[in-house]
Amino acid sequence: GVTQSPTHLIKTRGQQVTLRCSSQSGHNTVSWYQQALGQGPQFIFQYYREEENGRGNFPPRFSGLQFPNDSSELNVNALELDDSALYLCASSQEGGIQPYNEQFFGPGTRLTVL
Amino acid sequence: SQKIEQNSEALNIQEGKTATLTCNYTNYSPAYLQWYRQDPGRGPVFLLLIRENEKEKRKERLKVTFDTTLKQSLFHITASQPADSATYLCALGGDDMRFGAGTRLTVKP
Repeated sequence: GVTQSPTHLIKTRGQQVTLRCSSQSGHNTVSWYQQALGQGPQFIFQYYREEENGRGNFPPRFSGLQFPNDSSELNVNALELDDSALYLCASSQEGGIQPYNEQFFGPGTRLTVL
Repeated sequence: SQKIEQNSEALNIQEGKTATLTCNYTNYSPAYLQWYRQDPGRGPVFLLLIRENEKEKRKERLKVTFDTTLKQSLFHITASQPADSATYLCALGGDDMRFGAGTRLTVKP
């Protein structure tokens, strides 16, 4: 399955954070989401075969990387209080005969910014 | 602006009844729609995907419909059980993925 680390994280405003995700084996696409309490996940960006393949309405201080070994990272610079949320990654296998396939989500990283 | 609305924040039903959840959207033309289940403190779990050229999909006790004219999807759980209690999210996909805020379903024994 999809795993994420760490489970919980506390940072202070202005700091930088790196969140990690290990995709389901063989999946070529990873997406990152931010989920505030009581809200649905908001799409941050997607990586397909190590290239950014779509981005939601998030500023450039949110950046990511996807590696060939099924792992990926979400980096957030200059943390703000509003960045406190559950960060979810999801992997899928795209580009086959049938477009758009199910996403497998990780358990999330709970980030608190003080 | 694009909007996704799920019928209500919370839905309470009796065990054995059919739960019907609604997802309406505006100013959007999704290529597909997905439904997910999310339990507290956990990531969403995929349930069903329906594409824009499909009207209905079924999986065991679950059924989803997709009406691109009405811009609406209905999600049904038949013979509901207390274990079905969770938050259900609809998500519209195309160039990106957009989620609704979810409906919290409680099935009472």
